[in-house]
This record gives sequence, structure tokens and C-alpha cells, in this order.
Amino acid sequence: GESVGLHLPTLSVQEGDNSIINCAYSNSASDYFIWYKQESGKGPQFIIDIRSNMDKRQGQRVTVLLNKTVKHLSLQIAATQPGDSAVYFCAENPPTGRRALTFGSGTRLQVQP
Amino acid sequence: DAGVTQSPTHLIKTRGQQVTLRCSPISGHKSVSWYQQVLGQGPQFIFQYYEKEERGRGNFPDRFSARQFPNYSSELNVNALLLGDSALYLCASSLRQGAGTGELFFGEGSRLTVL
Repeated sequence: GESVGLHLPTLSVQEGDNSIINCAYSNSASDYFIWYKQESGKGPQFIIDIRSNMDKRQGQRVTVLLNKTVKHLSLQIAATQPGDSAVYFCAENPPTGRRALTFGSGTRLQVQP
Repeated sequence: DAGVTQSPTHLIKTRGQQVTLRCSPISGHKSVSWYQQVLGQGPQFIFQYYEKEERGRGNFPDRFSARQFPNYSSELNVNALLLGDSALYLCASSLRQGAGTGELFFGEGSRLTVL
């Protein structure tokens, strides 16, 4: 399939290591945030979400941290696997009256075996 | 269970032509959204429809239009195609109206190339 992002920031990690992907969001009034994973040739796949009244949420092998003071999100992936290789996008839900997500520009995660 | 299905998966058009893209949401989902993803960027919101009514529109020209049918499937139409319309067009469905009220499930997209 065609590559999703040819010139994206890239994070390269060794299999088994932990990965941290960072994202700066734009609207301080956004109240809902989501991380998506997009593999080449596929649509974005939901990973984990968090509401603005929380600062941390854990899923299976993934943790999202929210720092509203500096408008920063991070996605932590524990024990990274080759199947985690993909482009990762953060998305925010700004209170614009439009029910739409605003996506960040993405980070490519490459897992070295 | 079938996820969000989109058709066609790939298509090539020339400048000035018109295109119609189709989307079938997950069974039971009443909200359909359309996003445009240019190569190397994150998806950009185009439209949201819920219960057959437009509930949100992004910053796209009037050449872009959409509709939702009684069975909740949706079509995205783009008229007078420009080279810059070349992109992956993604359809997403959700159970409820708001983007913050649950997961958005994306289809695999329709890859449009305008020559």
C-alpha cells in the first residue's frame, strides 16, 4: 500500500523497548483527545482516548498522558512490537460547534527487530 | 461484523471532472463523517452527517458536497476537480453524533488521483 507519511518525524526503537510519542495540540478549550494508529494503505485505527478532566489513562500496553498546562499529549507504548510500526496521530475535539476532530501531523514509529 | 466500507478504493480522474465516493457505516451507526488526508498529513474534517442531516462542515469549498441516505450510507461528491484534490478520502462512522462521545471508526479510504 501507499505510504501514509513520507516526510513525517520518525521515532525508531528496538523491539521490546518502550516508545513515547509526543503531540502538541492547538486549542486549550479542547475537551477530548484520541490517539490513532495508521498502517500503510489503511484507515486510522482507534488506540486510546482521554477527556480533559483526566491527566492519565491506561489501556492494554498503552498509556496516554495529558498536560493541559502546556497543551501536550503523549502516547506511551510498552514493550514495543514490530506490529506497532505505523504512523501515529493525535486528534483533539475543539469546542467549535462542529463535531469534528482536528488531527496532528503524525509521527512514524519504526520498530527494529 | 463488517466495518466501515468505502468504494471505490482507488480512482483516477482528470482536472475538471466530478467524482462520487461512497460509504457504508457500521450497522447501527447513524453518524457518518468525511475526512480528506493529503499524503504526509493528518486527516482534515470535511463533513459530518447524523440522521440524514448535515451537522458539521469543515473549511472546504462548495465544490465539495455530501448527503446521507435513509439507510445511513453516505456519498461525498467533488465537482470541478483540481490537482490539489488528490488525496485519501476517509469515511468514519460512530454510534452517536458528537466526536467526543465515543469512537470514530474509519474505513480504508478511497484514494483519488487527479491528473
